[in-house]
Amino acid sequence: RKEVEQDPGPFNVPEGATVAFNCTYSNSASQSFFWYRQDCRKEPKLLMSVYSSGNEDGRFTAQLNRASQYISLLIRDSKLSDSATYLCVVKGRGSTLGRLYFGRGTQLTVWP
Amino acid sequence: DARVTQTPRHKVTEMGQEVTMRCQPILGHNTVFWYRQTMMQGLELLAYFRNRAPLDDSGMPKDRFSAEMPDATLATLKIQPSEPRDSAVYFCASGLAGETYEQYFGPGTRLTVT
Repeated sequence: RKEVEQDPGPFNVPEGATVAFNCTYSNSASQSFFWYRQDCRKEPKLLMSVYSSGNEDGRFTAQLNRASQYISLLIRDSKLSDSATYLCVVKGRGSTLGRLYFGRGTQLTVWP
Repeated sequence: DARVTQTPRHKVTEMGQEVTMRCQPILGHNTVFWYRQTMMQGLELLAYFRNRAPLDDSGMPKDRFSAEMPDATLATLKIQPSEPRDSAVYFCASGLAGETYEQYFGPGTRLTVT
């Protein structure tokens, strides 16, 4: 079983729509969680960290459910520039301290 | 604006040739990662270093891949001999170890082995 599982999509939504991505992780001891964004033919970049209480950054909201080992990302009022692949990322602990585990990514296309 | 740099950005080579990819991590970062990304497998960790010491290279095919950090400003990934299945984008990333930290990725080396 992979450490991080994501729905690959693709998600195709109109501008202004709200879209949500989910992912699950397998190691209950995981300690930190992130969403990265990767544009076509570019490197991944940190979008936001995910905190236990949930956190918001402008139009983006991240939620963590430790009991269900589930992470989500909500994008409100989608823009054309949001088109990218969104990677769910989990940080290992213990013997794998420091290592990040990446999901395969969910592809989003926002159309005008 | 500090960035991770990688060279070369693109490499086309014939099967059997040696390939060397280089990475300059962000100054002050003590953790360096090598990843490989393909359409089929997504982003895979090949190896990572902390304070120049290798911590985990279990993701690398040992018979043909090697990763080193000759000094704090340079990380190298070598493939010898290269095979067509090695064609992928190879990313280097650096970070500062701690409770939570961000990995900063370089632009990648796009490798094609014919």
